[in-house]
Amino acid sequence: EDKVVQSPLSLVVHEGDTVTLNCSYEVTNFRSLLWYKQEKKAPTFLFMLTSSGIEKKSGRLSSILDKKELFSILNITATQTGDSAVYLCAVSSGPTGANSKLTFGKGITLSVRP
Amino acid sequence: DTAVSQTPKYLVTQMGNDKSIKCEQNLGHDTMYWYKQDSKKFLKIMFSYNNKELIINETVPNRFSPKSPDKAHLNLHINSLELGDSAVYFCASSESRGPQYFGEGSWLTVV
Repeated sequence: EDKVVQSPLSLVVHEGDTVTLNCSYEVTNFRSLLWYKQEKKAPTFLFMLTSSGIEKKSGRLSSILDKKELFSILNITATQTGDSAVYLCAVSSGPTGANSKLTFGKGITLSVRP
Repeated sequence: DTAVSQTPKYLVTQMGNDKSIKCEQNLGHDTMYWYKQDSKKFLKIMFSYNNKELIINETVPNRFSPKSPDKAHLNLHINSLELGDSAVYFCASSESRGPQYFGEGSWLTVV
């Protein structure tokens, strides 16, 4: 069975800190790894990673994938209170794109204190 | 314009009732999904449809029946609701190789 494990499960930091969120996986027919941010409602797409070693960056957030060691990290620099959310890691797997499904980790709850 | 929209957002109903949740996407995507998020906030796939064809059907009670009248719509009908069906149900859509985009969720409470 496909498995995605995130760590730590929760994290409290102060504004301005840098955080690193971890995600490891064991899946068959890996296609991509995705990060989402969930506040009160819909998970919001952050990054999709398909190749090892290529960093994706968006403002203060960045992410990288290691397909050999089967993990990814999400970095947030200069954290702000608006970064407080649950960060979800998901792995897309399946024999074809149309047959792919997302397997989610349990999420990391990040709280940024002023 | 909301890209993936679900109705209703909130639904409180009694055990044994039948209810439906509707989902529409205006992104032109060819694949749509239903996910269930339980009280522990764990998101799990239920179904996916590609161009109106059922592709993924995870281990879900057959009281749950998805229907896709066209590729922009995927509805979820639930028969004989049980207490354990209380959860947030999320609809999502994607292109075959792209990320999935989620609706805002439908909060179902069975009493």
